[in-house]
Amino acid sequence: DTGVSQDPRHKITKRGQNVTFRCDPISEHNRLYWYRQTLGQGPEFLTYFQNEAQLEKSRLLSDRFSAERPKGSFSTLEIQRTEQGDSAMYLCASSLAADTLTKLFFGSGTQLSVL
Amino acid sequence: LAKTTQPISMDSYEGQEVNITCSHNNIATNDYITWYQQFPSQGPRFIIQGYKTKVTNEVASLFIPADRKSSTLSLPRVSLSDTAVYYCLVGGMDTGRRALTFGSGTRLQVQP
Repeated sequence: DTGVSQDPRHKITKRGQNVTFRCDPISEHNRLYWYRQTLGQGPEFLTYFQNEAQLEKSRLLSDRFSAERPKGSFSTLEIQRTEQGDSAMYLCASSLAADTLTKLFFGSGTQLSVL
Repeated sequence: LAKTTQPISMDSYEGQEVNITCSHNNIATNDYITWYQQFPSQGPRFIIQGYKTKVTNEVASLFIPADRKSSTLSLPRVSLSDTAVYYCLVGGMDTGRRALTFGSGTRLQVQP
């Protein structure tokens, strides 16, 4: 399967713990996005990478959230000191710079539950 | 990026054709129209993209009138497995604003 891969698929953690998610984009895709989605809502933009550079970050993203994309390949999203409000599906998407901004390929997401 | 408006929900029966319309009155000259399908506990899946007139692939058709202020996603002969949320997005090539807003989409329920 050459699609976007996310790990883990599910994560249960206690409030105050740190969690890290990984995303492996489609190999030739140089754009990478992180989104968050809660029940009944559409995906909400978190951050964007072009190759290894983080070029855009949502103003809604608190400083407890950090994302990296070393070497422009896989990416990690870390949430420090998790809160119950962080419970959501975290989605990663990738795309080609040659395509339109709206042509994204999503992974299956990581479902985070903060107890 | 252009704001879009879609119906919140639609109901249909197996075998029927379903048309979901999206309004995007402030679409820019260089914007494309893109539709996604999302099943529960999965990420959205790209269905179809178009710029004008009509685009068809193995999954759906996309109709775009001359003024491009709206678009219609057409699903022929739906089945139960087409029950999903459908999102319409409008945007073009990279102009520096990459924070795509999906909105709440249209929940399609297909009945037997």
